[in-house]
Amino acid sequence: QKEVEQNSGPLSVPEGAIASLNCTYSDRGSQSFFWYRQYSGKSPELIMFIYSNGDKEDGRFTAQLNKASQYVSLLIRDSQPSDSATYLCAVTGYKLIFGSGTRLLVRP
Amino acid sequence: NAGVTQTPKFQVLKTGQSMTLQCAQDMNHNSMYWYRQDPGMGLRLIYYSASEGTTDKGEVPNGYNVSRLNKREFSLRLESAAPSQTSVYFCASSVIGTLGYGYTFGSGTRLTVV
Repeated sequence: QKEVEQNSGPLSVPEGAIASLNCTYSDRGSQSFFWYRQYSGKSPELIMFIYSNGDKEDGRFTAQLNKASQYVSLLIRDSQPSDSATYLCAVTGYKLIFGSGTRLLVRP
Repeated sequence: NAGVTQTPKFQVLKTGQSMTLQCAQDMNHNSMYWYRQDPGMGLRLIYYSASEGTTDKGEVPNGYNVSRLNKREFSLRLESAAPSQTSVYFCASSVIGTLGYGYTFGSGTRLTVV
């Protein structure tokens, strides 16, 4: 079993819709959870992090964490074509373990 | 601009050649990391250095060596390149482990081994 699992996608949503990206992890001791955005040919860029159960909102982005279910998600409201990218979930421990990413495509 | 600088950006090697990927950060971060990214595989940790003077293996260390030259610099060496090492390599740094802010990544090195 992979330590961090994501659906590879692509997840296709129309412009203005809510995109929901999901991630599960295997290590119950994981303490910190991160979402990175990676445009094609570019390096990953941190967009959200969350430590506590519940929701954390930052602009159009909401991270949701459920430690009991070992589940973390990222919601993107009012999706824009510029949000089209691969979204990487990462969890830790001491060092980050990444999922393989979900490709998001926002259709104009 | 502050951040993580990687050199070179592109490299083509022949099988059996050696090379060193350079990484430097100017954010006064303690921890530094080397990842490789292959299609469908996500980012896999090769080696990391929790602090100056220490290095540890990650998930996929075979075929690589590292040196933490000082607090700023962390290099990755391929002693005898193999086609399986064709990948995009990212260096990253963080304050201490992942406290608070995750990692800052360099722009990557695209390596092709023929």
